[in-house]
Amino acid sequence: EAQVTQNPRYLITVTGKKLTVTCSQNMNHEYMSWYRQDPGLGLRQIYYSMNVEVTDKGDVPEGYKVSRKEKRNFPLILESPSPNQTSLYFCASSLSWQGTYEQYFGPGTRLTVT
Amino acid sequence: GENVEQHPSTLSVQEGDSAVIKCTYSDSASNYFPWYKQELGKRPQLIIDIRSNVGEKKDQRIAVTLNKTAKHFSLHITETQPEDSAVYFCAAYVYGQNFVFGPGTRLSVLP
Repeated sequence: EAQVTQNPRYLITVTGKKLTVTCSQNMNHEYMSWYRQDPGLGLRQIYYSMNVEVTDKGDVPEGYKVSRKEKRNFPLILESPSPNQTSLYFCASSLSWQGTYEQYFGPGTRLTVT
Repeated sequence: GENVEQHPSTLSVQEGDSAVIKCTYSDSASNYFPWYKQELGKRPQLIIDIRSNVGEKKDQRIAVTLNKTAKHFSLHITETQPEDSAVYFCAAYVYGQNFVFGPGTRLSVLP
């Protein structure tokens, strides 16, 4: 089954404790991205990747890191989480950054930082 | 950078009526405009999209129109049904850059 998976789905952590949210897709997609969703603000792109070893900042990259060592995986790293990073996070992938290809979203990760 | 505005933020319609959601964008280089539907507790899913070289696209009860000169695009849903109740997001994309989404419209279809 073609899908985007994220883990964990729910996470409660404390300020400053490094964490990683994994994202994996099995569709051989080139383009992957991370979004955060906050009430009234819609979906804001954090980072995106057009292919292996190619990443770039979205609109809200501060406090986040990503890597794209393999085509299928695109982990999101919070090295020192803060309460303002409490949010719902979505990973997404699409066939290519060129042209009009549907983005497929993962199920979401709800993160709470206390 | 790109900025996408979306109106209204909430919309209530009677079942069977039409619903229209409007978005404006700021970057004239944007060339792809998707619309996503997000049901409560679910992930966003694409419902329709349009490229910058097309003025209108229709898929059954859903249509999207694009006015490049005015830099706005709209989602039209006809014969609304209760299952159309959800949050709808528009987005704008410049190839090779980042996607920018609007803040969303909560549509309620009243039986």
